[in-house]
Amino acid sequence: ETGVTQSPTHLIKTRGQQVTLRCSSQSGHNTVSWYQQALGQGPQFIFQYYREEENGRGNFPPRFSGLQFPNYSSELNVNALELDDSALYLCASSSRQETQYFGPGTRLLVL
Amino acid sequence: GQSLEQPSEVTAVEGAIVQINCTYQTSGFYGLSWYQQHDGGAPTFLSYNALDGLEETGRFSSFLSRSDSYGYLLLQELQMKDSASYFCAVRAGSARQLTFGSGTQLTVLP
Repeated sequence: ETGVTQSPTHLIKTRGQQVTLRCSSQSGHNTVSWYQQALGQGPQFIFQYYREEENGRGNFPPRFSGLQFPNYSSELNVNALELDDSALYLCASSSRQETQYFGPGTRLLVL
Repeated sequence: GQSLEQPSEVTAVEGAIVQINCTYQTSGFYGLSWYQQHDGGAPTFLSYNALDGLEETGRFSSFLSRSDSYGYLLLQELQMKDSASYFCAVRAGSARQLTFGSGTQLTVLP
């Protein structure tokens, strides 16, 4: 157990809808990163938040957005869902750059 | 951008030693990490190398050669529970974000 929690664990949406995924970071961690993991692939970096500011973004369109709150928990929002957005969404928290601790993930299915 | 290459599958027997190689191309390199992921589970941190050389943690060791853009994960005294996917990931870029390889599926046979 890493102390990183995510909700919900599973989610089913239809194309065009919007979704919000939540992550509570491990105590003392001020950095949260979000990843998308398609079946059989490695996690792909979406973006990273440090002290409530986005400080890095991967190759994802603007319909992927996020927030980090003063308690360092975080949200990932995806608008206008597409079928290809079906994946496992992982958040990871860290206090030192080299060690990221992952939550169990949210499995999203877009129909 | 970054790219990483690692074997897609490796099979070994219990008690054996296995090495999973990783080569990478990147700019702004900070270090190489290794993660383990069991089916349906979260990636679990195994090791991080920022400097050349070998890092040992119990049965697992990780090696980095920055000049060769190469690293490996060495698993000794394999156990059935080691069957999982193993990912190398480079830390690079302005945010020092992780870029993962596609993973190596390790199967440990009795």
